[in-house]
Amino acid sequence: ETGVTQSPTHLIKTRGQQVTLRCSSQSGHNTVSWYQQALGQGPQFIFQYYREEENGRGNFPPRFSGLQFPNYSSELNVNALELDDSALYLCASSHQRGSGGAGETQYFGPGTRLLVL
Amino acid sequence: DQQVKQNSPSLSVQEGRISILNCDYTNSMFDYFLWYKKYPAEGPTFLISISSIKDKNEDGRFTVFLNKSAKHLSLHIVPSQPGDSAVYFCAGGVSYGKLTFGQGTILTVHP
Repeated sequence: ETGVTQSPTHLIKTRGQQVTLRCSSQSGHNTVSWYQQALGQGPQFIFQYYREEENGRGNFPPRFSGLQFPNYSSELNVNALELDDSALYLCASSHQRGSGGAGETQYFGPGTRLLVL
Repeated sequence: DQQVKQNSPSLSVQEGRISILNCDYTNSMFDYFLWYKKYPAEGPTFLISISSIKDKNEDGRFTVFLNKSAKHLSLHIVPSQPGDSAVYFCAGGVSYGKLTFGQGTILTVHP
């Protein structure tokens, strides 16, 4: 059984550019959540995807968007990058039993370190 | 509005002794809580969780205590080992949806 994987591991972009981060969920999991972790802070929830639909969103602007694919992998897209977007981006997968139903513990990938210059 | 707070940025403990990490929360809607451990350059690793209907959950050397009236939870590690040195995050969740994390506590276990 493979765990949660993320790519790339590191990325350097310049202000105004766009970035796509990828996540493969753990086998048997149908839900993916994305978090942003700034230096010295705890992870902040961006959004969650369940069965290819957004299933909750945190306090992030619309230039943060996502997708979930039929195999439950996911992408996080950030447009018009700003310096403050520099952070570790974490993906977590879990299994949810039905929309709005109880789910299980979220398991995290290793993260993608994004630096915006 | 910080719904989950870990007021101690760091904790230093001798090997073999008990480590106690604390966490306070304000959101009464949280129905479960989790502790994660994070090493540098890795993602958070799940340690232990507790439902809001319980006051204690134990797994090996790790025990989590929940005091709902005080809106306080703690993680006890006994005995502490040097490999436990990491950043520890507590998090609260509602129906296994989004997790709200504290800022983390750096635990250092000295040999």
